[in-house]
Amino acid sequence: ETGVTQSPTHLIKTRGQQVTLRCSSQSGHNTVSWYQQALGQGPQFIFQYYREEENGRGNFPPRFSGLQFPNYSSELNVNALELDDSALYLCASSSEGYPNEKLFFGSGTQLSVL
Amino acid sequence: AQSVTQPDIHITVSEGASLELRCNYSYGATPYLFWYVQSPGQGLQLLLKYFSGDTLVQGIKGFEAEFKRSQSSFNLRKPSVHWSDAAEYFCAVGATYKYIFGTGTRLKVLA
Repeated sequence: ETGVTQSPTHLIKTRGQQVTLRCSSQSGHNTVSWYQQALGQGPQFIFQYYREEENGRGNFPPRFSGLQFPNYSSELNVNALELDDSALYLCASSSEGYPNEKLFFGSGTQLSVL
Repeated sequence: AQSVTQPDIHITVSEGASLELRCNYSYGATPYLFWYVQSPGQGLQLLLKYFSGDTLVQGIKGFEAEFKRSQSSFNLRKPSVHWSDAAEYFCAVGATYKYIFGTGTRLKVLA
């Protein structure tokens, strides 16, 4: 049990639609990161939020955006969905800064884009 | 460029046998290295990490890893594998605020 909850667990969308994925972190975890894990691949860093501000971004287009809220919850929004967006999306939170942080991962949201 | 390579996509071992999972990294500075395990339908769980100091690090569940700078490697080992170790294992290098993961090694354990 990591204390990180993601919802929904599974989601099916069609190309061109928009989707919002949610993550609830442990109290006191002021850093949240989102990763995309395509089938057969390792997780790829999307972005990180610290105290409600984006403080790092991977090689993902602007249609991937996020929000972090004061209550330790966060969202990943993806606009104009493409077939290649089909993947497991993982949320990870921590209370300490890099590199001493211990990341707590949620179980992920499996997104299928048809 | 920063990268992590896990040469073995699948590994099968018998229960009780020893295990070594390979990881090679490419990183310009002193690397922070990690091993994570992912069971089906689960998120990633940290097994162990290396920041500095002793190059042999101990982790949870009886795992250990050895950092070899000359070989740019951080291989994961376990002397005796249990059936519950069947999972996917990811090596990662820390790069400032993000982690770069390898493509993973899927471990199958034979009874």
